[in-house]
Amino acid sequence: NAGVTQTPKFRILKIGQSMTLQCTQDMNHNYMYWYRQDPGMGLKLIYYSVGAGITDKGEVPNGYNVSRSTTEDFPLRLELAAPSQTSVYFCASSPDGLNQPQHFGDGTRLSIL
Amino acid sequence: AQKITQTQPGMFVQEKEAVTLDCTYDTSDPSYGLFWYKQPSSGEMIFLIYQGSYDQQNATEGRYSLNFQKARKSANLVISASQLGDSAMYFCAMRGPYNQGGKLIFGQGTELSVKP
Repeated sequence: NAGVTQTPKFRILKIGQSMTLQCTQDMNHNYMYWYRQDPGMGLKLIYYSVGAGITDKGEVPNGYNVSRSTTEDFPLRLELAAPSQTSVYFCASSPDGLNQPQHFGDGTRLSIL
Repeated sequence: AQKITQTQPGMFVQEKEAVTLDCTYDTSDPSYGLFWYKQPSSGEMIFLIYQGSYDQQNATEGRYSLNFQKARKSANLVISASQLGDSAMYFCAMRGPYNQGGKLIFGQGTELSVKP
């Protein structure tokens, strides 16, 4: 029962570097999400996808990009990392966009120095 | 706009006692869903319980129950017989609009500490 798998778990980047956070789920869920959690706060939505080939912006999309070529994978790309992107990133999935719970990965702790 | 409010930044409870974590919400949609998640110090987000706006009965899952008062727009989490492993952050959340992908809208969270 893998569920939602995120890699890497920790990463330190220098300002201006780029990287991709990986997310894969094995539950055949159509809906996938990327959130960020800043210290002492709840989660905020970066991007979401309602199926392969379909993505859309959330509340805080600036500085990020996503793609969804398969049902299973939903990578998040950081371009030109900035200190403000230091955060914990969570990927989540759910069967639909209504009242099913979202299942979360374990998170990626990212520091930009 | 939809909003979740958790007014208790931190709570303490004695082991084996019950504790209530408060959550109020605001929405104009007649159909909505409310969720509680637990985030231990290890950082993962664990789904605990769900309440639908049309559900006739309060949701229960083991030691977790949801005190749902629709008229007051509150969805408080009750943990019975607290255990040391219940020490964690607890987030109340609501699914956002369907045309925005049904994102989860989170409250600020309540940090629960269980004392031995």
